[in-house]
Amino acid sequence: DQQVKQNSPSLSVQEGRISILNCDYTNSMFDYFLWYKKYPAEGPTFLISISSIKDKNEDGRFTVFLNKSAKHLSLHIVPSQPGDSAVYFCAATFSGSRLTFGEGTQLTVNP
Amino acid sequence: DGGITQSPKYLFRKEGQNVTLSCEQNLNHDAMYWYRQDPGQGLRLIYYSQIVNDFQKGDIAEGYSVSREKKESFPLTVTSAQKNPTAFYLCASSIWDGAYEQYFGPGTRLTVT
Repeated sequence: DQQVKQNSPSLSVQEGRISILNCDYTNSMFDYFLWYKKYPAEGPTFLISISSIKDKNEDGRFTVFLNKSAKHLSLHIVPSQPGDSAVYFCAATFSGSRLTFGEGTQLTVNP
Repeated sequence: DGGITQSPKYLFRKEGQNVTLSCEQNLNHDAMYWYRQDPGQGLRLIYYSQIVNDFQKGDIAEGYSVSREKKESFPLTVTSAQKNPTAFYLCASSIWDGAYEQYFGPGTRLTVT
């Protein structure tokens, strides 16, 4: 039962444009969502998070949007840079339970 | 510098052998976790530990064992009973179990032939 899904295995964008990575979840109990970034042969690093009481959280070039009614969140990167090329995982949790991860989306930013 | 260390980065074993992956953290975190990453499957939880001398099975614990004798160490043994052991293994920690943000080590790529 895949409770967190990232339906796009890959995304390719031009440098300077917007990257939009999507994530869907099925468990309405989830109350906190995170995005992690992962380079090859390295561990994931925390990028940005959002609580279910908010619908937007912004940190520099990164913004996460949460649509609870649709059980959907997205990560926007503006402007995209070649160094942003990595695998992005969304994760969800509720009341301090374990993190549940999506499958990941490979983002490629072309110069 | 505080962080999580996993060693070795690459590990090769023959089928039928047990192998132990190391994970050490100096972040003074109470909770530690082991994940497995396979292509297209994200991160799957193998085992986690909330406190020293205590640990719980995750979603895919079969064929694995762990110990937590010290707060800073959480080694994972991949036994010969694990049917598909070749994977990228990630160790993580958090301040306490249930703390939202987990910090990951660099990972160990295990190849069993």
